[in-house]
Amino acid sequence: EVQLLESGGGLVQPGGSLRLSCAASGFTFDSYAMIWVRQALGKGLQWVSGISASGGSTYYADSVKGRFTISRDNSKNTLFLQMDSLRAEDTALYYCARDTTMDFWGQGTLVTVSS
Amino acid sequence: QSALTQPPSASGSPGQSVTISCTGTSSDVGGYNYVSWYQQHPGKAPKLIIYEVTKRPSGVPDRFSGSKSGNTASLTVSGLQAEDEADYYCCSYGGSNNWKVFGGGTKLTVL
Repeated sequence: EVQLLESGGGLVQPGGSLRLSCAASGFTFDSYAMIWVRQALGKGLQWVSGISASGGSTYYADSVKGRFTISRDNSKNTLFLQMDSLRAEDTALYYCARDTTMDFWGQGTLVTVSS
Repeated sequence: QSALTQPPSASGSPGQSVTISCTGTSSDVGGYNYVSWYQQHPGKAPKLIIYEVTKRPSGVPDRFSGSKSGNTASLTVSGLQAEDEADYYCCSYGGSNNWKVFGGGTKLTVL
């Protein structure tokens, strides 16, 4: 059974940093691209970042480019999102999803940026 | 990176069919056959229901179908059931500079 479990969310002040993790199981992790998507409370889905299966290619939404860094550790079946220079508008539930089709999703981890 | 355009709401009675549109540009929806649709019930994670415009993942009922014409993709739900009431989002590949772009979402109400 495919499982994705996000962690690392929390309350952080504007300008601060957080590192999200997504632990994957039930599939061959290093065969799939992975994606981060976020959803502000009561709002729609927004693609944040993606990474190829090998980790050699990364992609970012304009709104997070230069502030967020996606990475993965294929030996530990884990996806990461390093979030720096956080802003209030980054407040959202952050999901990780498998593959470019986003065929499986985790349950999300909540990030709140507030003073 | 502009979002794809979806109607904010749609509705239909049980047994009826409803179609939700998703309009983009030739740089995303119209340029690639990589449109997907997601269903999201309140408090739940999104679920993939259509990928590559017309394909259904295993386990998704064939009441859900996808299509595309030009820069507009569509999701049709036939034989509406109460459990189809949810938010629906389209998503398209937009090239290397705009890898993924979502629509704003459509709230489907089963009357």
